[in-house]
Amino acid sequence: EAGVTQSPTHLIKTRGQQATLRCSPISGHTSVYWYQQALGLGLQFLLWYDEGEERNRGNFPPRFSGRQFPNYSSELNVNALELEDSALYLCASSLQSRDGYTFGSGTRLTVV
Amino acid sequence: GQQLNQSPQSMFIQEGEDVSMNCTSSSIFNTWLWYKQDPGEGPVLLIALYKAGELTSNGRLTAQFGITRKDSFLNISASIPSDVGIYFCAGQLGQGGKLIFGQGTELSVKP
Repeated sequence: EAGVTQSPTHLIKTRGQQATLRCSPISGHTSVYWYQQALGLGLQFLLWYDEGEERNRGNFPPRFSGRQFPNYSSELNVNALELEDSALYLCASSLQSRDGYTFGSGTRLTVV
Repeated sequence: GQQLNQSPQSMFIQEGEDVSMNCTSSSIFNTWLWYKQDPGEGPVLLIALYKAGELTSNGRLTAQFGITRKDSFLNISASIPSDVGIYFCAGQLGQGGKLIFGQGTELSVKP
């Protein structure tokens, strides 16, 4: 069974640009979660999508947005990039059950 | 953002020693989870706990869901070099939905 796949693995952008990060969940999983992990810090919840709808949102500005497609894959968009947006962005999926998440390996976003 | 209090922040131990780390929260959770993260990778689920007082083992790992539902601990017995990494606790309030993560415990094991 393929795990959660994220692309690209690394992304370098300049301040003010937009970044688009992609995630494919495990087959059959309908929920997708996005987390930000800044260097040396824990994981901060960004967004939760289930069945194509945004279910919950973390304490991040509106320039962080996303969507979930009919095939349950998901996109995270970050507009007007700032230096402090540099972080590992992790996507996870679940079956909307009690089994916890399965994480992808992340996209390392560097803003210069 | 909201986080759990996880301790210790880091541990340096000798191979073969036992390790203990814990998480506390001011909020009640219905599920406690323990993850391990290796450098450059996403966290991997180690143990999931669903009931207050539950004690669950996974090989050399043992975790417990605190009776108050506000804390959890993870023990690793007879540590080996591949146990090196960052261990995160996470709490979940309901089925599905976001996880609240601790700050992580960085484990170093000297051979």
